[in-house]
Formats: sequence, structure tokens, C-alpha cells
Amino acid sequence: DTAVSQTPKYLVTQMGNDKSIKCEQNLGHDTMYWYKQDSKKFLKIMFSYNNKELIINETVPNRFSPKSPDKAHLNLHINSLELGDSAVYFCASSRGGPSEQYFGPGTRLTVT
Amino acid sequence: AQTVTQSQPEMSVQEAETVTLSCTYDTSENNYYLFWYKQPPSRQMILVIRQEAYKQQNATENRFSVNFQKAAKSFSLKISDSQLGDTAMYFCAFPYNQGGKLIFGQGTELSVKP
Repeated sequence: DTAVSQTPKYLVTQMGNDKSIKCEQNLGHDTMYWYKQDSKKFLKIMFSYNNKELIINETVPNRFSPKSPDKAHLNLHINSLELGDSAVYFCASSRGGPSEQYFGPGTRLTVT
Repeated sequence: AQTVTQSQPEMSVQEAETVTLSCTYDTSENNYYLFWYKQPPSRQMILVIRQEAYKQQNATENRFSVNFQKAAKSFSLKISDSQLGDTAMYFCAFPYNQGGKLIFGQGTELSVKP
């Protein structure tokens, strides 16, 4: 019954590695997002997809690449991980536009 | 550019009492939405309440209500009869009409004490 799910919930890896976070929603929403929450709890948009098309790409390093195989899934791949990538990453979905967003449980990424 | 400001980094309240969390925002749009999200220690982001700017009536959800002052661009959250389970980080959020990305405030960490 989980509306927005993310895997894994915890990810510990070393600098230089490549990792992926997966997100799935079963709400029938057209739009999905990735947010980053830093160590001070500040939340910032990274990407947004609408019906598998990228519509928002904030100033995010090229090492981050989102992929949406269908409108229910939005994955985040990160290349050459750096210490500064350590954060909590949230996936969210909505009906689009300014409607409310429903969040996944978050993935805590720790880069050592 | 739209901005959202929460000027209270931390607040505490006694159980069963009432507390108000402040939020101000800046936008040139006329029709928009505003949200309050709650993030308990479990990390999950939970939608608490939403307000549509064209509605003059303040939104209410059980013990949670807002005081929306459109001219002042103020959107405060009132929690009545505070419960221990209300202990959490609370974020005020503004969605862009185009694309819908949420702009969050800095958050207010609320502690409810027994």
C-alpha cells in the first residue's frame, strides 16, 4: 500500500563509486521529483519529470543523472561520488503543477 | 524569485497547549498554494495542511489550522492541544505554478514536552 517507495533507505559507499537510488509511486501521478536534504535539514529541488520528460533541472552536477523508464518510476544515478554528496535524498510525486506532493521515506546517503 | 522564510529555528511547547509557527513568503503570483509539511524523527515528510490563495477562509485539519494573510504574505501554522507525537521539524512550502517544484523554508524544530 506504500504510495511512494524508495530503495535503498540507507546507502554507505566510498568516494569515487557509482550508485543508484530507485523510486516508485503507485498514486497514478504524472509528475515526479528528486529533492536533496542537507545536514542542516534544508530541502532543495534537484529534478522533476512529467510523463517521463525532464521539466526541471536545477543547478546539479552532471554526475547526477535521473532516469524515468515510465511515469511511475524515477531513478537517480550518481557517478564518482564525493563527500559533499552525503545527504538525504527524497523522491516525491504529484498530479503536476502546484498540487501537493507526496514523499518517499528518503534515502540517507553517506559517502566515506 | 519566490522565497520562503521561517524565522523560528526552534520552538517548544507543553503538552496540551497551543503553539504557532511563523512563515512568510514572497511571490509576484496572485493564485497559488501554500503547504505545511511535518518531518518527525522517522524522516518521513508528511503533508499537514494546504491553503489555496484565492480562498479567504483559513484551512483547518483537526488540531491544525492556518492564519493566512495574503496581503502580508504570511502563512502561520497553529497547533492546538499539542501532543507528544507533534514533535517534529515543520516546513512551510510554496509550489511554483510552472513545474510545481516546492520552495521550502528553513524549517522550525518543534519539541512538545510532557
